[in-house]
Amino acid sequence: AQKITQTQPGMFVQEKEAVTLDCTYDTSDPSYGLFWYKQPSSGEMIFLIYQGSYDQQNATEGRYSLNFQKARKSANLVISASQLGDSAMYFCAMREGWGSNYQLIWGAGTKLIIKP
Amino acid sequence: DVKVTQSSRYLVKRTGEKVFLECVQDMDHENMFWYRQDPGLGLRLIYFSYDVKMKEKGDIPEGYSVSREKKERFSLILESASTNQTSMYLCASSFRGDDSNQPQHFGDGTRLSIL
Repeated sequence: AQKITQTQPGMFVQEKEAVTLDCTYDTSDPSYGLFWYKQPSSGEMIFLIYQGSYDQQNATEGRYSLNFQKARKSANLVISASQLGDSAMYFCAMREGWGSNYQLIWGAGTKLIIKP
Repeated sequence: DVKVTQSSRYLVKRTGEKVFLECVQDMDHENMFWYRQDPGLGLRLIYFSYDVKMKEKGDIPEGYSVSREKKERFSLILESASTNQTSMYLCASSFRGDDSNQPQHFGDGTRLSIL
């Protein structure tokens, strides 16, 4: 079974509109963390934002925010006021548990294209 | 800022060659990772290392080996390159902290073509 599901393979959004990228996850571990990364066409993976399972507030970083709905096991990325430079692949990833489990489980990604 | 440097952005090699991909990080991170990325398949972990001379297999280790002789350097080795190893290879590093909030930081990637 997929542990991280990104249901939108691709999205087109008009510049300056807000964007929501979906991510659902599956874990039975009460301790986990969720990460979002951006990958422009040049290839580098850029860390955007993190949400811990015990965090009371939704994470925010500048124009990025995370809509974390724990009961629904979803961690959607919201980009406010989209810009042409936001066009990229976006990946959701999860780390389960604490301690020595350092691996991330990755979703398949969503390709976001911002239209001028 | 964290800097993870991969030795080549683009590399072309021949079938059967031994190929070395090098990765260096400058943030004293304990953990280092090698992934390959193929269209539609996302990122798949090949190997990772949580300390010098330590290594753990990831999801797809077959056909690959790794070396970590120094903390800052993690090498991926294709023992005998094959065309199905043509891919984008990404190196990452992170702190080992017990908290789950340590992100992995990535290099720019190496696009490897095996002819």
